[in-house]
Amino acid sequence: DIQMTQSPSSLSASVGDRVTITCRASQSISRYLNWYQQKPGKAPKLLIYAASTLQSGVPSRFSGSGSGTDFTLTISSLQPEDFVTYYCQQGYTTRWTFGQGTKVEI
Amino acid sequence: EVQLVQSGAEVKKPGESLKISCKGSGYSFATSWIGWVRQMPGKGLEWMGIIYTGYSGTRVSPSFQGQVTMSVDKSINTAYLQWTSLKASDTAIYFCAKQSSDGGDYNWFDPWGQGTVVTVSS
Repeated sequence: DIQMTQSPSSLSASVGDRVTITCRASQSISRYLNWYQQKPGKAPKLLIYAASTLQSGVPSRFSGSGSGTDFTLTISSLQPEDFVTYYCQQGYTTRWTFGQGTKVEI
Repeated sequence: EVQLVQSGAEVKKPGESLKISCKGSGYSFATSWIGWVRQMPGKGLEWMGIIYTGYSGTRVSPSFQGQVTMSVDKSINTAYLQWTSLKASDTAIYFCAKQSSDGGDYNWFDPWGQGTVVTVSS
């Protein structure tokens, strides 16, 4: 299976900061990369699909980029509700895999 | 509104069987893919597998092959995840999610069910 590695595993930031989370695939996955946000005690929520397409209703401060093996999720200006956990997920193969998650802390 | 509603929390003993459910509404359930994702306490998301509701075809992660069974009852728009003999290590939250698509090659999970908490303890 394709391994997905996120970095960092956690980061500390402040409201208004710009943050970038990286996701690396163990082999090329073209642009078959999705990003999810998970708040404590809740189901994950889709933020971005196909590496860079913002899901409807998701604030424009979220953006994604990358192709091949290296991808990034950027939050341009952190808001209080953004201090939660983010996961990448590859959909290149028929057996999907998630990254281990990145927790964004105040 | 497309929605997935999962069955309630379960507390079981090791060795017991369990079947949890995921009911879809607001879309054509009978021709869709439903995935299952595990989240162990304090840990990340693990893709378990996916089932096509049209003919119950499955793709299962090697990590879960032989450990769980995925099934569907199209007549009541419900997918199931089943264990025949639970272990303490099955304690986790289990999410179902609908595989959605842009109509082309790209797929993702959206929406998700609210999750079912399964606790296995003697």
